[in-house]
Amino acid sequence: KQEVTQIPAALSVPEGENLVLNCSFTDSAIYNLQWFRQDPGKGLTSLLLIQSSQREQTSGRLNASLDKSSGRSTLYIAASQPGDSATYLCAELDRDDKIIFGKGTRLHILP
Amino acid sequence: NAGVMQNPRHLVRRRGQEARLRCSPMKGHSHVYWYRQLPEEGLKFMVYLQKENIIDESGMPKERFSAEFPKEGPSILRIQQVVRGDSAAYFCASSRYESGSYNEQFFGPGTRLTVL
Repeated sequence: KQEVTQIPAALSVPEGENLVLNCSFTDSAIYNLQWFRQDPGKGLTSLLLIQSSQREQTSGRLNASLDKSSGRSTLYIAASQPGDSATYLCAELDRDDKIIFGKGTRLHILP
Repeated sequence: NAGVMQNPRHLVRRRGQEARLRCSPMKGHSHVYWYRQLPEEGLKFMVYLQKENIIDESGMPKERFSAEFPKEGPSILRIQQVVRGDSAAYFCASSRYESGSYNEQFFGPGTRLTVL
């Protein structure tokens, strides 16, 4: 059974600090991995998509890595800002076009 | 180009009533996916449809839930005889389809169903 686990479930960090969110998955044949952001009461915003042939993707202050051999992905956020406060979801995309989501990490940036 | 649209955004039903959730995919997208997010839980896949065809419904509860994506009009997720446990956020996503390629899904804002 494919599972995606995110640790920690919640994280509070002072503004300006760099931080890392962790994701682990059980499917060694992972197709793609995607990080989303979800704001309270809102939908999902795609942040970064890493295809299985890639090791990392970067967008602005965000960097996501993928290590298929260890079954892990990390999302690195540099110079955190209060506007970064949200829930971050890690998701595995399988070859049947289904997405398996983790439960998310609730991030709170302290001003 | 409008994104994925869902309506209503909020829906309140009493136990035993029916709930109909609508999803209009992005222009040019032929595939629709429904996901459910229960309180304090992650999003779970429910069903994957293309026009007039269900491709994968392995995540759908066996009773009371059904989904369709007609040739014309939005995709509909229908929940009959709702119970309190159906209270959740229901998200729709859509994608283009190219065989052998990764078909990125784009998500709508969700419908939040509350069953009283």
